[in-house]
Amino acid sequence: GAGVSQSPSNKVTEKGKDVELRCDPISGHTALYWYRQSLGQGLEFLIYFQGNSAPDKSGLPSDRFSAERTGGSVSTLTIQRTQQEDSAVYLCASSLEGLYNTEAFFGQGTRLTVV
Amino acid sequence: DQQVKQNSPSLSVQEGRISILNCDYTNSMFDYFLWYKKYPAEGPTFLISISSIKDKNEDGRFTVFLNKSAKHLSLHIVPSQPGDSAVYFCAASLEGGKLIFGQGTELSVKP
Repeated sequence: GAGVSQSPSNKVTEKGKDVELRCDPISGHTALYWYRQSLGQGLEFLIYFQGNSAPDKSGLPSDRFSAERTGGSVSTLTIQRTQQEDSAVYLCASSLEGLYNTEAFFGQGTRLTVV
Repeated sequence: DQQVKQNSPSLSVQEGRISILNCDYTNSMFDYFLWYKKYPAEGPTFLISISSIKDKNEDGRFTVFLNKSAKHLSLHIVPSQPGDSAVYFCAASLEGGKLIFGQGTELSVKP
């Protein structure tokens, strides 16, 4: 596709349920990032993939959060037993691997609301 | 540990005037800096970047300045236009790795 695509664009879930958020990066982009933006906050780094491996998972807030990437393309962020504080906009970005200077291109985000 | 800081949550500027958005960082090893612009309900879009080997990069109305000794960068928009009203994020990276973002500054350009 032409840009980074995320689905769903909006998700309302009940507290305690699991959710899966999907990201389709730009074709050929091997670096993929997940960020989240809570209300009134900045962009909080969650996890970073190079290909299918995640060299930096330092931003995942708890063990309820996990992410995987298959085929060096699509990534899924899974939140288990959702809590109200998980409510945020989850943003995915991708960039070319190996370039010293590279910008990341963002999707439109998934707005998650835990009720 | 906030490695990239934008200390002004908001800025209001008159149309036609200069907007100056500031960003400070703590890690002297950062080698690449970027500015992103974000409209409501949209993902951030890349605006302009600068390598640590430079101190200025210009693209049309947008200029980014980097002061490595002060660990400070700024984005100048001149002349400011109402369509520039958005949240601006600065970001820094190390050796092509993850981008670390500041908290953002909401710019409002008034006609």
